[in-house]
Amino acid sequence: DTEVTQTPKHLVMGMTNKKSLKCEQHMGHRAMYWYKQKAKKPPELMFVYSYEKLSINESVPSRFSPECPNSSLLNLHLHALQPEDSALYLCASSQDSRGTTNEKLFFGSGTQLSVL
Amino acid sequence: GDSVTQMEGPVTLSEEAFLTINCTYTATGYPSLFWYVQYPGEGLQLLLKATKADDKGSNKGFEATYRKETTSFHLEKGSVQVSDSAVYFCALRGAAGNKLTFGGGTRVLVKP
Repeated sequence: DTEVTQTPKHLVMGMTNKKSLKCEQHMGHRAMYWYKQKAKKPPELMFVYSYEKLSINESVPSRFSPECPNSSLLNLHLHALQPEDSALYLCASSQDSRGTTNEKLFFGSGTQLSVL
Repeated sequence: GDSVTQMEGPVTLSEEAFLTINCTYTATGYPSLFWYVQYPGEGLQLLLKATKADDKGSNKGFEATYRKETTSFHLEKGSVQVSDSAVYFCALRGAAGNKLTFGGGTRVLVKP
């Protein structure tokens, strides 16, 4: 199994809603990532978890709250989002992010989020 | 900090034409270099990679050579197909190893 599975594929939410994005992998990877991608732009790193601990937070607003319940799962909790947060949210995983430059990232297909 | 610059698109080609997408980078130390491809409505897939100077990555007819002297990693394919229509991202992973830095992406459209 070389897949990273993200649910839901599409999500529409209001600015007062609370929702969660989910990501799952069963490749035994110990590093997991959240990226945000606006239309016609490259992905921007948001968070990195390494061995279930948050290792990188790229100054992301607190209305985005990541969670890594175990080595296979990664969640992104959303609360009080703004319309400008509408984007494709991509999850990725890799063997281990610590000090290794040549490992590849496996990406999910993303959740297309629209904030009304 | 690390950065990647790639040619802006869109690049429009006819089937069987030769494709080149230029990519240059700035990084300290010896980064690993990657090309990722994103098909419409999907996430990114690794196309090829190179981890040291003069390495050539290749996959599905695509090639790129890690040129340290020119800090470049240009992507080439000799004969494109309609199915190669996608957005291509050049990326590097620097000495710290925990962050992938992407270029702006190049949209390629191959017409029959």
